[in-house]
Amino acid sequence: NAGVTQTPKFRVLKTGQSMTLLCAQDMNHEYMYWYRQDPGMGLRLIHYSVGEGTTAKGEVPDGYNVSRLKKQNFLLGLESAAPSQTSVYFCASSSGLAWETQYFGPGTRLLVL
Amino acid sequence: GQNIDQPTEMTATEGAIVQINCTYQTSGFNGLFWYQQHAGEAPTFLSYNVLDGLEEKGRFSSFLSRSKGYSYLLLKELQMKDSASYLCAVRGVNGETGANNLFFGTGTRLTVIP
Repeated sequence: NAGVTQTPKFRVLKTGQSMTLLCAQDMNHEYMYWYRQDPGMGLRLIHYSVGEGTTAKGEVPDGYNVSRLKKQNFLLGLESAAPSQTSVYFCASSSGLAWETQYFGPGTRLLVL
Repeated sequence: GQNIDQPTEMTATEGAIVQINCTYQTSGFNGLFWYQQHAGEAPTFLSYNVLDGLEEKGRFSSFLSRSKGYSYLLLKELQMKDSASYLCAVRGVNGETGANNLFFGTGTRLTVIP
């Protein structure tokens, strides 16, 4: 039981390049989330999904796209990376029940030059 | 909008008790979570409050007052391994989307000294 896993762990991009971050969970959770964490800003929700085939915008969705083709996977895409997207990205999943916690993956550290 | 405030840094002595405060203003309050995050690692769940009062879980306790928009996390018998950031997160309504989301404070970095 791996919980929530993320690949890659670390990536360096040049401005304008694209990439996809992969998140996988084996807890059969309906809800999945992508956050970014920046110094002094706290965790901010980028996009989330309440089930396979659905996605929704969070607080800071601009510059990102997501897809949830399979229940266990949630992909975060950067079509044209910008230095402002340098951050640590966390994926999380939950059952969706209000009192249930979100379980976080180990994070992906992204540096955009 | 959402506004969550907590102190940036705190220092406490091993074996002591420390209280980390969190104040919030949110639309559609639907619960408050505390998470622990060690440097370079993922946040992990500590506690959940939705009703007023104290929730105790071992060395950790969390208190909520909805009327005051206030919560605290109490850590007893501090250990060196408790050195970490503690994140206050409030479930509320996103004003732009109308969705129920989790909003995080910036975290309190606790340093436990011998």
